[in-house]
Amino acid sequence: KNQVEQSPQSLIILEGKNCTLQCNYTVSPFSNLRWYKQDTGRGPVSLTIMTFSENTKSNGRYTATLDADTKQSSLHITASQLSDSASYICVVSAWTGGGNKLTFGTGTQLKVEL
Amino acid sequence: KAGVTQTPRYLIKTRGQQVTLSCSPISGHRSVSWYQQTPGQGLQFLFEYFSETQRNKGNFPGRFSGRQFSNSRSEMNVSTLELGDSALYLCASSFSAGTGEAFFGQGTRLTVV
Repeated sequence: KNQVEQSPQSLIILEGKNCTLQCNYTVSPFSNLRWYKQDTGRGPVSLTIMTFSENTKSNGRYTATLDADTKQSSLHITASQLSDSASYICVVSAWTGGGNKLTFGTGTQLKVEL
Repeated sequence: KAGVTQTPRYLIKTRGQQVTLSCSPISGHRSVSWYQQTPGQGLQFLFEYFSETQRNKGNFPGRFSGRQFSNSRSEMNVSTLELGDSALYLCASSFSAGTGEAFFGQGTRLTVV
């Protein structure tokens, strides 16, 4: 069964600090891994997409890594800001031939405080 | 460039009724996917349409159905509503059904009473 597990479930950090969110998956056949940021009451917004051959990708203060051998990914946030407070969702895509089937993690709820 | 538009934003229905939700993708995008988001289950994939054809389907009962029109707009229908169907329903559009980036709409908040 395809599964995506994220940790921690929730996290509180002080503004300006760095943090790392984890994602472990058992999805096959692997197509790509995506990290999304979802603000409360809004739709998710894509941060990064990585395929099998990519092991790191950055988007501003967000850096995602992928280890396809161990089936792990991380999202590192540098110099956090209050606006980073949101749910971060790891999504792994499996190619079924007819299209991509997405499996979602339950997310890490991040709160950045002063 | 307009984003993904979902209507209505909020909806209250009674158990046993049916409901239709609408999604207009970004202009030029031909793939539309639907998701259900609940606090306990997180985001779950419902189905994906590309060029009016259902390409993938999640593990939801047959009460959940969808379709896509020639202009790529998509509708999702839920029949015989149950209390457990209360959720945020999100749709996402992408240029292709492959590895392209998916852009999400703001969602439709459905409450079943």
